[in-house]
Amino acid sequence: QQQVKQSPQSLIVQKGGISIINCAYENTAFDYFPWYQQFPGKGPALLIAIRPDVSEKKEGRFTISFNKSAKQFSLHIMDSQPGDSATYFCAASVRGAQKLVFGQGTRLTINP
Amino acid sequence: EAQVTQNPRYLITVTGKKLTVTCSQNMNHEYMSWYRQDPGLGLRQIYYSMNVEVTDKGDVPEGYKVSRKEKRNFPLILESPSPNQTSLYFCASSLFSGASAYEQYFGPGTRLTVT
Repeated sequence: QQQVKQSPQSLIVQKGGISIINCAYENTAFDYFPWYQQFPGKGPALLIAIRPDVSEKKEGRFTISFNKSAKQFSLHIMDSQPGDSATYFCAASVRGAQKLVFGQGTRLTINP
Repeated sequence: EAQVTQNPRYLITVTGKKLTVTCSQNMNHEYMSWYRQDPGLGLRQIYYSMNVEVTDKGDVPEGYKVSRKEKRNFPLILESPSPNQTSLYFCASSLFSGASAYEQYFGPGTRLTVT
């Protein structure tokens, strides 16, 4: 039972373009939505996170957009660079539980 | 350097031969967790621990055991490994207060193959 659905599974973007990865969730008790970035041979690392009291959070070239009514959130990578090539996971958790439910992952490739 | 370490990084074993994957963190974190990563399934939680001597099942606990005798260590035990446990395993740790969500720090992973 996948509580967080992520798409697409793989994505190829040209250097300088915008990469967009989408996630949808079912559990309305979720109140923390992080994105993790994983490079080959490494463990995932927190990239950016959002809580449902805001609709958007930006950190450098990375932006999370959050739509509470639609139960969807997305990661936008502006001016995508080859160094952004990695697997990205969205996740969600219930306040205080610390348990993360992950999406299926998106393998992003930025072509130079 | 703050880190989560796992050993071994790579392991090939045979069905039924007991094995242990160790995990250690040096950040004094209360919360520790084991995940397995499989293509198309993302990361799924196996077991977690909110503090010493407190452990609980995650989403896919069958065939696994854990213990938390010390705050820094959280070993994963496969008593009788089977081929369907071939996977990439990650240990993670974080602060825990029950009132907020904290960043989870992941180890480098252990690639296990069971033949």
